[in-house]
Amino acid sequence: DGGITQSPKYLFRKEGQNVTLSCEQNLNHDAMYWYRQDPGQGLRLIYYSQIVNDFQKGDIAEGYSVSREKKESFPLTVTSAQKNPTAFYLCASNPAGQERADEQYFGPGTRLTVT
Amino acid sequence: GESVGLHLPTLSVQEGDNSIINCAYSNSASDYFIWYKQESGKGPQFIIDIRSNMDKRQGQRVTVLLNKTVKHLSLQIAATQPGDSAVYFCAESYDKLIFGAGTRLAVHP
Repeated sequence: DGGITQSPKYLFRKEGQNVTLSCEQNLNHDAMYWYRQDPGQGLRLIYYSQIVNDFQKGDIAEGYSVSREKKESFPLTVTSAQKNPTAFYLCASNPAGQERADEQYFGPGTRLTVT
Repeated sequence: GESVGLHLPTLSVQEGDNSIINCAYSNSASDYFIWYKQESGKGPQFIIDIRSNMDKRQGQRVTVLLNKTVKHLSLQIAATQPGDSAVYFCAESYDKLIFGAGTRLAVHP
């Protein structure tokens, strides 16, 4: 089956630790995205990548880092510099290769809790 | 995730009724709009989209209406079913996607 997978579904970390969230897609999409979702708020863009070995900051990139070494994979690292890391993180991809998307295909999300 | 719907407005409907979910968008230059459905603990799913050169678009059991004069978008769900219970949010697009917070739809038997 084609799709986007995120792992793990739930992740718990202590404050001060870096943590990496996985996102893999087998849709052959060029563009991949990371969003953060908080209660009562719309999705906010953290980072996006339109092509392998290239990525751009979104609206709330501070405290996060990404890599795009393979087309299929776009891992997100939440660093200790992120002040409020507890959130639901969503990965998405689209075939258009642009930040604007006619269709965003979303993964199932990772719920990160930092205590 | 499970908690994203806790702070949202809720629309409660009876099974079989029609539901109307509203969204106010912010940028008058936005020319593309999308509705998503997000079930508890899952990622959003695309439902329907509409371009700014249209004011109505119909899908299977869903209709999206666009009123550019007042920057308003609505999603109508016909014959609402328990499986429609979820958070619904809109997104507008000009040079990037901007997502609304959403409305929680609760369908009661």
